[in-house]
Amino acid sequence: GAVVSQHPSWVICKSGTSVKIECRSLDFQATTMFWYRQFPKQSLMLMATSNEGSKATYEQGVEKDKFLINHASLTLSTLTVTSAHPEDSSFYICSAGTVAMNTEAFFGQGTRLTVV
Amino acid sequence: QKEVEQNSGPLSVPEGAIASLNCTYSDRVSQSFFWYRQYSGKSPELIMSIYSNGDKEDGRFTAQLNKASQYVSLLIRDSQPSDSATYLCAVNPKTYKYIFGTGTRLKV
Repeated sequence: GAVVSQHPSWVICKSGTSVKIECRSLDFQATTMFWYRQFPKQSLMLMATSNEGSKATYEQGVEKDKFLINHASLTLSTLTVTSAHPEDSSFYICSAGTVAMNTEAFFGQGTRLTVV
Repeated sequence: QKEVEQNSGPLSVPEGAIASLNCTYSDRVSQSFFWYRQYSGKSPELIMSIYSNGDKEDGRFTAQLNKASQYVSLLIRDSQPSDSATYLCAVNPKTYKYIFGTGTRLKV
């Protein structure tokens, strides 16, 4: 399968600071990237859909001013958690895909965010 | 009604047995169905994809799809301790926008 790289794999930050998470497609051009959040023992919840060169589409209940998404190129999307609070602590996962992959999407390794 | 439903488990099977994981979905127009395996603290990895009614086999894994019943399942033959993980069913009613079930935890 295709390779999606996510960085960092874990981060600890102080409450009130911002954290940026990168998602890169290493061997293909991803027209669409997705950002998910997963709390312990729960399923993946889609936060937003990111298309290259356009504004992200956020799911209901996700604050777009708090979770800033940028998809500036076909291989890179970033998620910035602004003014992070302890309740933002979670496992954040990106996925990427293209039409050529027949709707299959591939996941990055995930980022464990802990806000203290 | 949840869009994608799975029994949370845990489902316990002895080593060497067949594990049967089930998933139902509510959106009749769904066209793509996937099974992902997720180890604790790790990201999901794709196990199987299935798009048409019937069975699809890949090694020890068999996915079964019945669109009329809105049901998709995953069979794992000769279960191994390394198969112990959470299995997520994902349905794709629209391109790339996956809807995930809550996952079934399997213990071998």
